[in-house]
Amino acid sequence: QQQVKQSPQSLIVQKGGIPIINCAYENTAFDYFPWYQQFPGKGPALLIAIRPDVSEKKEGRFTISFNKSAKQFSLHIMDSQPGDSATYFCAASMKIGAGGTSYGKLTFGQGTILTVHP
Amino acid sequence: GAGVSQTPSNKVTEKGKYVELRCDPISGHTALYWYRQSLGQGPEFLIYFQGTGAADDSGLPNDRFFAVRPEGSVSTLKIQRTERGDSAVYLCASSQGQNSPLHFGNGTRLTVT
Repeated sequence: QQQVKQSPQSLIVQKGGIPIINCAYENTAFDYFPWYQQFPGKGPALLIAIRPDVSEKKEGRFTISFNKSAKQFSLHIMDSQPGDSATYFCAASMKIGAGGTSYGKLTFGQGTILTVHP
Repeated sequence: GAGVSQTPSNKVTEKGKYVELRCDPISGHTALYWYRQSLGQGPEFLIYFQGTGAADDSGLPNDRFFAVRPEGSVSTLKIQRTERGDSAVYLCASSQGQNSPLHFGNGTRLTVT
């Protein structure tokens, strides 16, 4: 019940294309859904996050779509650029710690390697 | 200011040896996390500190793994009797606390030969 399933494993698009990465979860207690970007040799960096009370969130060229009933969420990257080539991870969490003080116990998906060709 | 700092960046050790991995969180961040990332996989949660105490250590795989944060800032992940299966990138992250995003370091790549 703790799994987050991510697809596809890899994705290749041309510059300007709109890659879409999908994730599905099972645990209905999850209530925080971030996306992370990771470059080789670096730690993951937060891109955008959503909570289940909204169905869509946009930040710059990145959009999360969230379907609570289907327990699915996806990342769309508008006008993709070669510099967006990286591994993307979805994640999910619920509050932990004394008094529910943290969303930091993240369950990550398996990752999607995105390549954007010039 | 500086981000999360992890040292060493690479560590090669022999099977059976003891290793210590260090994490310096962002100044003022009260929450600190350790994750492990195997090749081609997403990070997996190991342990969470709020201040000096381990608030959740449910991700530690067995009793060979232990972590401390004695003064509520720097943390050390300790692995005894290392095994080849311990080879991975160990990531540290910190946050300001409630509802704040995690900031990850670049990790320590541990190789057990």
